[in-house]
Amino acid sequence: DIRMTQSPSSVSASVGDTVTITCRASQGITNWLAWYQQKPGKAPKLLIYATATLESGVPSRFSGSGSGTDYTLTISRLQPEDFATYYCQQAYSFPLTFGQGTRLEIK
Amino acid sequence: EVQVVESGGGLVQPGGSLRLSCAASGFGFSNYDMNWVRQAPGKGLEWVSYISSSTSTMYYADSVKGRFTISRDNVKNSLYLQMNSLRDEDTAVYYCAKGRGAFHYGMDVWGQGTAVTVSS
Repeated sequence: DIRMTQSPSSVSASVGDTVTITCRASQGITNWLAWYQQKPGKAPKLLIYATATLESGVPSRFSGSGSGTDYTLTISRLQPEDFATYYCQQAYSFPLTFGQGTRLEIK
Repeated sequence: EVQVVESGGGLVQPGGSLRLSCAASGFGFSNYDMNWVRQAPGKGLEWVSYISSSTSTMYYADSVKGRFTISRDNVKNSLYLQMNSLRDEDTAVYYCAKGRGAFHYGMDVWGQGTAVTVSS
């Protein structure tokens, strides 16, 4: 199974800041990497798929990059509605696996 | 409106069974792969099972293999998860999630989840 390791586990930031979350796969996943946002009590929401493709309706302040085993989610100009938990997920092979999550908190 | 709605969760004793359902609407259900993903209380997301659009291919997490069975009815636009031999560690909110296209492209439509509690 491919293990996904996110860092940091939590981060505090202020509105207007830029935050970067990283995700490392235990083996290469050839850019088959998705990012989700989840707010308390709500279902996850797809933000980015295939490493860098923004899902329809997702603000352009979200961006993704990476290759091989290392991937990043960058959120620029943080807005109040961005404070949530973020998960990466490898979509390279089964079993599909998620990172443990990164909680983005307001400073 | 594109949506999926789960149902069938509840309280069940260890060793018991439960069948979850997911009703899809607003999209061509028969054209899309589907998944079940769960989230234990206070924990992260765990993928549980996948079924291809044609039902020809199914995958399971090791933690549920041999106990859970995924199925779908493309006429009724419904996805199911039959859960047998339930354990305490199966307690979670179970989400139905639509594949965005091939499984490589992530899951783009999620339901609100249905809670399963396994306890005596």
